Amino acid sequence: EPEVTQTPSHQVTQMGQEVILRCVPISNHLYFYWYRQILGQKVEFLVSFYNNEISEKSEIFDDQFSVERPDGSNFTLKIRSTKLEDSAMYFCASSERRGEQFFGPGTRLTVL
Amino acid sequence: AQSVTQLDSHVSVSEGTPVLLRCNYSSSYSPSLFWYVQHPNKGLQLLLKYTSAATLVKGINGFEAEFKKSETSFHLTKPSAHMSDAAEYFCVVSEGSTSGTYKYIFGTGTRLKVLA
Repeated sequence: EPEVTQTPSHQVTQMGQEVILRCVPISNHLYFYWYRQILGQKVEFLVSFYNNEISEKSEIFDDQFSVERPDGSNFTLKIRSTKLEDSAMYFCASSERRGEQFFGPGTRLTVL
Repeated sequence: AQSVTQLDSHVSVSEGTPVLLRCNYSSSYSPSLFWYVQHPNKGLQLLLKYTSAATLVKGINGFEAEFKKSETSFHLTKPSAHMSDAAEYFCVVSEGSTSGTYKYIFGTGTRLKVLA
């Protein structure tokens, strides 16, 4: 069964450093998403991506964040200068248009 | 904007007894609703989904949910809890945008504890 994969599973970084979180969506899906879940809180939408551009972004997704689909398979989330409050679990998801979103296992980001 | 409210942050049941996890939604039109489960240190797994077909939706692992428009509810039930059901459960509504994409709006989650 096809699945969304994410790497790394856990990333530890120093405050102010750049991090790139990687995702491989399901191959025939065209819509891609990033969500985050701060420990003990609910899952929050960050950004959606379609046709090589951002479709929608939340207030959380400020200038420190960017997304990219560098090739035909990967979908990345970059945080340029990490802050302590960026520590969270980051989930990638992909979907066909209005269908169910399939989530990856997540990357736990710890900012020290 | 759409939203979901999960009425209980924690639910405890004994093994073998019924499970009821409550969810109410707010939507200006017919929504797509989902229940996801998250086991400790794991990702999000789809349990079931409602997309305007049958109002009683059956999912995996014996779970089901009933869409009640008059009550704006989508409660999750299971006749008999199993120890392996202990997890966090999220009610989700799908919200469309002018761009054509559909983002998920998550509830705050209900942590289910199953007692032996």
